Amino acid sequence: GAGVSQSPSNKVTEKGKDVELRCDPISGHTALYWYRQSLGQGLEFLIYFQGNSAPDKSGLPSDRFSAERTGGSVSTLTIQRTQQEDSAVYLCASSHDRVQAKNIQYFGAGTRLSVL
Amino acid sequence: GESVGLHLPTLSVQEGDNSIINCAYSNSASDYFIWYKQESGKGPQFIIDIRSNMDKRQGQRVTVLLNKTVKHLSLQIAATQPGDSAVYFCAERETGANSKLTFGKGITLSVRP
Repeated sequence: GAGVSQSPSNKVTEKGKDVELRCDPISGHTALYWYRQSLGQGLEFLIYFQGNSAPDKSGLPSDRFSAERTGGSVSTLTIQRTQQEDSAVYLCASSHDRVQAKNIQYFGAGTRLSVL
Repeated sequence: GESVGLHLPTLSVQEGDNSIINCAYSNSASDYFIWYKQESGKGPQFIIDIRSNMDKRQGQRVTVLLNKTVKHLSLQIAATQPGDSAVYFCAERETGANSKLTFGKGITLSVRP
């Protein structure tokens, strides 16, 4: 597609369940990022991929959160044993090679996760 | 710790007036700055960027100003339109970092008809 695609757009789950969020980056973009946005807040960095490797996982809030990327394209963010505080919009972005001096990140519309 | 922040949480302007959205940053190692616009239910959309070797950059109806002396970034929108109503975020990237952007909390721009 022309832009970053995320699915599902909305996800309602029960506390304790696992969820998987998917991100399809812009074709040809080697870098991929996950962010979390709580209501009325800015964007909280979670993890960054360059190709299939994740050189920066510093933003993952706990070991319940993990992410992978395969084929240098699609990425999934998995949250295990969801908690109510995990409720937020999860945004994915992609960009060209990270070493460029200017590296504009393009965002998807996000997945709104609600943990009941 | 170092952070990116915005001076005002909300800004209300009359349609047709110019808008100025301000952002303070504290990381002197940042070399690249971006402004994003986020409309309700959508992801952030790139507006304009500026590198630290510049102090001004103009786009279509928007201008970004960078004052490295006082670590201040601003976004100016000319002839504000109802479609400009959104939340605006500034973001910075630290030199040598892996392109991780640090975002401010955002400011809501509301355009009065």
